[in-house]
Amino acid sequence: DTEVTQTPKHLVMGMTNKKSLKCEQHMGHRAMYWYKQKAKKPPELMFVYSYEKLSINESVPSRFSPECPNSSLLNLHLHALQPEDSALYLCASSHPDSGEYVGELFFGEGSRLTVL
Amino acid sequence: EDKVVQSPLSLVVHEGDTVTLNCSYEVTNFRSLLWYKQEKKAPTFLFMLTSSGIEKKSGRLSSILDKKELFSILNITATQTGDSAIYLCAVEAWHFNKFYFGSGTKLNVKP
Repeated sequence: DTEVTQTPKHLVMGMTNKKSLKCEQHMGHRAMYWYKQKAKKPPELMFVYSYEKLSINESVPSRFSPECPNSSLLNLHLHALQPEDSALYLCASSHPDSGEYVGELFFGEGSRLTVL
Repeated sequence: EDKVVQSPLSLVVHEGDTVTLNCSYEVTNFRSLLWYKQEKKAPTFLFMLTSSGIEKKSGRLSSILDKKELFSILNITATQTGDSAIYLCAVEAWHFNKFYFGSGTKLNVKP
């Protein structure tokens, strides 16, 4: 069983809706990530939070808004999405970069998003 | 530009065969290379490699890194249908928790 929990597992939304994806981990990791994965493609990095601060934003459109309320939670707020945003959204966590090896990324099972 | 290239993109073998998957990289400030297996959902971790020439082994899977030639291989011996998956290679760069993923190798093991 994965130790990174994502909800919901499936989400269908219209282009005018506002929804949120949630991610939770209790491994004490202080780095959390959002990745987007289209079919038959590798995960693409969207955002990285380190110690609850946004450290990487890979030029993601503003219709995606991340939030890290505390060290265990990561949200992705969605608004005015386009059909091409339909994808599997993966949350991951790891140790933060503190000069040692970060080690592995622990992935959640993903939220499969369909935008109509 | 930093990049990770995997080959082949796809592979079809029969049970019992041995396969070798390749991952080459050009990443500034390389720190580690990781292999993941992805079936239907989340990638699951296989190996992390940080030093050249030291083989990591887990059952029928093994992997090795060559930091001089900038590549890694993942070997699977005596393949089983349960090995069918996409195998992803990721390279971690120093600073800011940055991981670069290759496009993956899709392995199909036929009975």
